[in-house]
Amino acid sequence: EIVLTQSPGTLSLSPGDRAALSCRASQSITTSYLAWYQQKPGQAPRLLIYGASNRATGIPDRFSGSGSGTDFTLTISRLEPEDFALYYCQHYDDMSPTFGQGTKVEIK
Amino acid sequence: QLHLQESGPGLVKPSETLSLTCTVPDGALSTTSLYWGWVRQSPVKGLEWIGSIYYYGTTYYNPSLKSRATISIDTSKNLFSLKLGSVTAADTAVYYCARHLLVAGRSRLAYFDSWGQGTLVTVST
Repeated sequence: EIVLTQSPGTLSLSPGDRAALSCRASQSITTSYLAWYQQKPGQAPRLLIYGASNRATGIPDRFSGSGSGTDFTLTISRLEPEDFALYYCQHYDDMSPTFGQGTKVEIK
Repeated sequence: QLHLQESGPGLVKPSETLSLTCTVPDGALSTTSLYWGWVRQSPVKGLEWIGSIYYYGTTYYNPSLKSRATISIDTSKNLFSLKLGSVTAADTAVYYCARHLLVAGRSRLAYFDSWGQGTLVTVST
């Protein structure tokens, strides 16, 4: 099983700041089969990024994904008030996808 | 964004079987090249994929839950279902149904692009 470790656990930032969230895999993920989700309280996760760097439909371009192998990053270029939420990564490198434990982006 | 809706009991007794249903728009389940899955979320385990099913019945399960989980589909009723047997308190979670896409051009499970709102299931006497 591929274990995904996200860091930091909590990111305290202000609106307008740049956020960089890390997702590290326990083994190399081939062909960048990694997705990112945003989750707000009481809501289901929302797909942001797939294939490590492809934005899902309707996702603003301030969200970007990068990385390969074992290290992946979700970057939010300028935080908007609605971006303060939980973020999860998920791999699909085999037929047993797993999620990271999440990073909370909170208002400083 | 597709609308999916979970339904089922919110309280299940230990050792019994948890049963949930996910209803989708008319005809959606017969779409090729995608699966329909169940994901749960608890404070202890976080987000955990349970399993997914194709419209003609092929299933894949999380190895850790495979012995207890059964996913079925009824395209005529526009729903798919989850049964999880021998539940314990550790199975208390919010259960989501979701559309599970495949990697383009490959028969490989990928990411989830539409989710239900989730339903809380508590295992307790």
